Amino acid sequence: DAKTTQPNSMESNEEEPVHLPCNHSTISGTDYIHWYRQLPSQGPEYVIHGLTSNVNNRMASLAIAEDRKSSTLILHRATLRDAAVYYCILRDWDSGYALNFGKGTSLLVT
Amino acid sequence: DAGVTQSPTHLIKTRGQQVTLRCSPKSGHDTVSWYQQALGQGPQFIFQYYEEEERQRGNFPDRFSGHQFPNYSSELNVNALLLGDSALYLCASSLQTVGVTDTQYFGPGTRLTVL
Repeated sequence: DAKTTQPNSMESNEEEPVHLPCNHSTISGTDYIHWYRQLPSQGPEYVIHGLTSNVNNRMASLAIAEDRKSSTLILHRATLRDAAVYYCILRDWDSGYALNFGKGTSLLVT
Repeated sequence: DAGVTQSPTHLIKTRGQQVTLRCSPKSGHDTVSWYQQALGQGPQFIFQYYEEEERQRGNFPDRFSGHQFPNYSSELNVNALLLGDSALYLCASSLQTVGVTDTQYFGPGTRLTVL
């Protein structure tokens, strides 16, 4: 399975944008890039996913590098409620139905 | 619209015992996955059930087994509990038809403590 690398932790100020990076240098052409987050004492929740093009939804934006070896989750205005562990996950038909979580990035918002 | 529900919320067992955890999927979902999350780690995939069959399994021993009922709800059973089985057990539901880009909706989890 292609692996992802994320910083262990990041810190952000409230009301400011946050850029959460993810490296996936061994990504294959059929790997989708998914992001989930886990708020304290809750189960993970879906944030966004993409394949090649940048994606936007009401929660966040996903910027995918042209070579697809890295991606960035963008929270446009961080709030205290965005403090969570953010997971970058690659999925394709080989990995099947499982979500392969790593350790993620713990985001602190102050 | 009720989301994914799990019961019980917390559970304490002793080594060697057996435990059953329960999950009701989000309304309209037909697929249930189970994950184990140790303290400070990301969730680890145990298995997924669809059409009452286990269709994919992660790297977990046979002590971990499951079941899916006709109403799509699911149970996770763990036999011969070990101290290392202490973890948060998460259930996630999804729609089979979407495939590899499906969104999995997670419940709040069951916290299992093995003494």
